[in-house]
Amino acid sequence: QKEVEQNSGPLSVPEGAIASLNCTYSDRGSQSFFWYRQYSGKSPELIMSIYSNGDKEDGRFTAQLNKASQYVSLLIRDSQPSDSATYLCAVRGGSQGNLIFGKGTKLSVKP
Amino acid sequence: GAVVSQHPSWVICKSGTSVKIECRSLDFQATTMFWYRQFPKQSLMLMATSNEGSKATYEQGVEKDKFLINHASLTLSTLTVTSAHPEDSSFYICSAPPGNWQETQYFGPGTRLLVL
Repeated sequence: QKEVEQNSGPLSVPEGAIASLNCTYSDRGSQSFFWYRQYSGKSPELIMSIYSNGDKEDGRFTAQLNKASQYVSLLIRDSQPSDSATYLCAVRGGSQGNLIFGKGTKLSVKP
Repeated sequence: GAVVSQHPSWVICKSGTSVKIECRSLDFQATTMFWYRQFPKQSLMLMATSNEGSKATYEQGVEKDKFLINHASLTLSTLTVTSAHPEDSSFYICSAPPGNWQETQYFGPGTRLLVL
């Protein structure tokens, strides 16, 4: 069974620091990877997608992909209290083209 | 980004009743929509894949006779929870991949169901 693993946290960082979120996946054939942010009681919101090895930057967010290690990460620079949420790593790998989600890492940014 | 809506956002019902949840793609056509369920402190789990013009595909362990899916048009999929029970209380979220759907999926705002 295809799996996506994340440290559930909580991960606590001070405001202005870098938050580092990690994710591993089991299916070596996976090609598409996503990071979603989910606030309590809300549905997931797409932050980043990444398909190639290396880094992809978008504002304060950087996604990193290492297919050889089956590892995806998300860095959040200059963390803000508004970044406090649960971050879901997702891999496209379902038989229907659906996303397979990790359990999420809860991030808390302290003012 | 693409917009997906869901209705209702909240529903409270008595045990044994049926509840219908609508998922609409507002600015694109979606031949495929996905229905996920999320229990408290758990991640999203795929329930079924809704296909326009054909039968839905259900994940293992999801009762197709209990969770009825109808993909009536290219912009609308409905999920009906029949004879709801308290254990069906959950956060139901639909998603639809637009256009070049290999790239991403956009999620609706979700429907929180509470069965008393």
